[in-house]
Amino acid sequence: KQEVTQIPAALSVPEGENLVLNCSFTDSAIYNLQWFRQDPGKGLTSLLLIQSSQREQTSGRLNASLDKSSGRSTLYIAASQPGDSATYLCAVPGDSNYQLIWGAGTKLIIKP
Amino acid sequence: NAGVTQTPKFRILKIGQSMTLQCTQDMNHNYMYWYRQDPGMGLKLIYYSVGAGITDKGEVPNGYNVSRSTTEDFPLRLELAAPSQTSVYFCASSYSGLAGDTQYFGPGTRLTVL
Repeated sequence: KQEVTQIPAALSVPEGENLVLNCSFTDSAIYNLQWFRQDPGKGLTSLLLIQSSQREQTSGRLNASLDKSSGRSTLYIAASQPGDSATYLCAVPGDSNYQLIWGAGTKLIIKP
Repeated sequence: NAGVTQTPKFRILKIGQSMTLQCTQDMNHNYMYWYRQDPGMGLKLIYYSVGAGITDKGEVPNGYNVSRSTTEDFPLRLELAAPSQTSVYFCASSYSGLAGDTQYFGPGTRLTVL
């Protein structure tokens, strides 16, 4: 059964730092992985989707990598800003085409 | 476009009460989903729908019911509220049903059962 883990649960860094968020999954037979952002009182927003054939996907200051063989993905945030403060979740497809298996998220706080 | 809207934003129920969480999307998406998110946990799929008149169970369907009479609306019904149903509920929709397709989320309903 697929399980997704995100460590650490919370992270606080000064503004301007580059940082890495981690996501690990137990079953490497995935065909994609997504990163989402969740702001308090709001829904989730899709940030990046990496197909299994890709190793990286970039959007602005965000770069996500995928290493299926080791069951890991990282989300790199360059030059962090206070507006990046949010909870970041990763998710992979489950047994059903319609199901995503979610990590518990990393709560990121960027201090001005 | 309003995207995905959910009402109410907050609700407190007593044990045994019933309520319906409303979800509406204006993107003409066929696929819609209900998730719950418990504190410190990831999302769990409750029910999903692949189109009007078609619904199916997700991971944690017990204690809930859904209906899909129109493309736009996908209400979630709690018949006999229990403390274990205290959670934040998210509705989402997507163009295709593939797990890799972008899902658009509503702002959530925070439900407390006392």
